[in-house]
Amino acid sequence: QQPVQSPQAVILREGEDAVINCSSSKALYSVHWYRQKHGEAPVFLMILLKGGEQKGHEKISASFNEKKQQSSLYLTASQLSYSGTYFCGTEAVQGAQKLVFGQGTRLTINP
Amino acid sequence: GAVVSQHPSWVICKSGTSVKIECRSLDFQATTMFWYRQFPKQSLMLMATSNEGSKATYEQGVEKDKFLINHASLTLSTLTVTSAHPEDSSFYICSARDLLAGFNEQFFGPGTRLTVL
Repeated sequence: QQPVQSPQAVILREGEDAVINCSSSKALYSVHWYRQKHGEAPVFLMILLKGGEQKGHEKISASFNEKKQQSSLYLTASQLSYSGTYFCGTEAVQGAQKLVFGQGTRLTINP
Repeated sequence: GAVVSQHPSWVICKSGTSVKIECRSLDFQATTMFWYRQFPKQSLMLMATSNEGSKATYEQGVEKDKFLINHASLTLSTLTVTSAHPEDSSFYICSARDLLAGFNEQFFGPGTRLTVL
């Protein structure tokens, strides 16, 4: 079943923060985050495994609450290059192989 | 990170013809490859999962006789769209994982834009 992302779209000014949520009705083993720019393939950002961990890389971080079956992606002090559509992909069990992607969140960063 | 290539990057064909798209993992062996289809402003819809040396597993609603998938080696998977029609026009993206090496991530190819006239 497809996870639900919120918001569907967000417009920010450069330097502002954003949070993108990904919720599933099923128990999850892992959540993967990707960013896709128009006409290009998705680019891997990070993966969070079951265990309630939080990860980060520079100004982009994410958390995974397995009890709530929810993951959140945090973009701090957004840059113009952060613009794109963000997808979460969920894996129900370890070794399931395939990911089910949310509908995407379109992020627009204006100068 | 691991690199996945796709060829061609775009193709235009006439209705009724077949089109083959190649997906290659360049610097790792892909035990599993996935094929997605993406319509404009929509999400990635998984079409099928292919494991090297075995038949692909198709998602519900995907015609396996129309979308032929072959994963003959650990670095190459092909998707053939047979008897293509305008409604098959879409962005086709492959991805690959190497679960044996502990790669949890899926690495995506650059995609192939198919236009059927």
